[in-house]
Amino acid sequence: DQQVKQNSPSLSVQEGRISILNCDYTNSMFDYFLWYKKYPAEGPTFLISISSIKDKNEDGRFTVFLNKSAKHLSLHIVPSQPGDSAVYFCAASAGYGNKLVFGAGTILRVKS
Amino acid sequence: EAEVAQSPRYKITEKSQAVAFWCDPISGHATLYWYRQILGQGPELLVQFQDESVVDDSQLPKDRFSAERLKGVDSTLKIQPAELGDSAMYLCASSFEGQASYEQYFGPGTRLTVT
Repeated sequence: DQQVKQNSPSLSVQEGRISILNCDYTNSMFDYFLWYKKYPAEGPTFLISISSIKDKNEDGRFTVFLNKSAKHLSLHIVPSQPGDSAVYFCAASAGYGNKLVFGAGTILRVKS
Repeated sequence: EAEVAQSPRYKITEKSQAVAFWCDPISGHATLYWYRQILGQGPELLVQFQDESVVDDSQLPKDRFSAERLKGVDSTLKIQPAELGDSAMYLCASSFEGQASYEQYFGPGTRLTVT
């Protein structure tokens, strides 16, 4: 039972344009959501997060939106840069200190 | 910047052999996690430690996998005997108790290939 789903295996975007990565979840107990970025041969690196009490969090070029009623979150990258090319994982937690439940990831390719 | 250390980075072993992975979390991080990532999937938790105690090992195949964190610092994950299906990336992560962000810091992982 996949509690966190990233339905787009890959996304290709032109440099300078917006990248939008989507994530859906099923467990209503999730109260915190995170995005991780992963380069080949490296471990995932934390990118940005959002608490369930918020609907938007912004950090530089990265913004995460949360729609609790739809159980959907998205990561916006504006403007996209070639260095953003990586695998992006959506993750969720049901309580502080609990495990992270990850989606399968979306491969982002930013073309220059 | 402090990092989670893992070794080895790559391991090739034959099925039925024993294999072990080591993780040293960021200093001061009380919680340590071992995840397994199969190609094309997201990381999945195998075991979680709070100091030296196991908090969650519900997804750990206990007939062949074992994990320990004897002094509450570094940790070892062992597989004996290894099976072909164990080929995956094994990731270690740590987090600081009291950290409000839920953020976990990952090491570079150990890529295991079982032949």
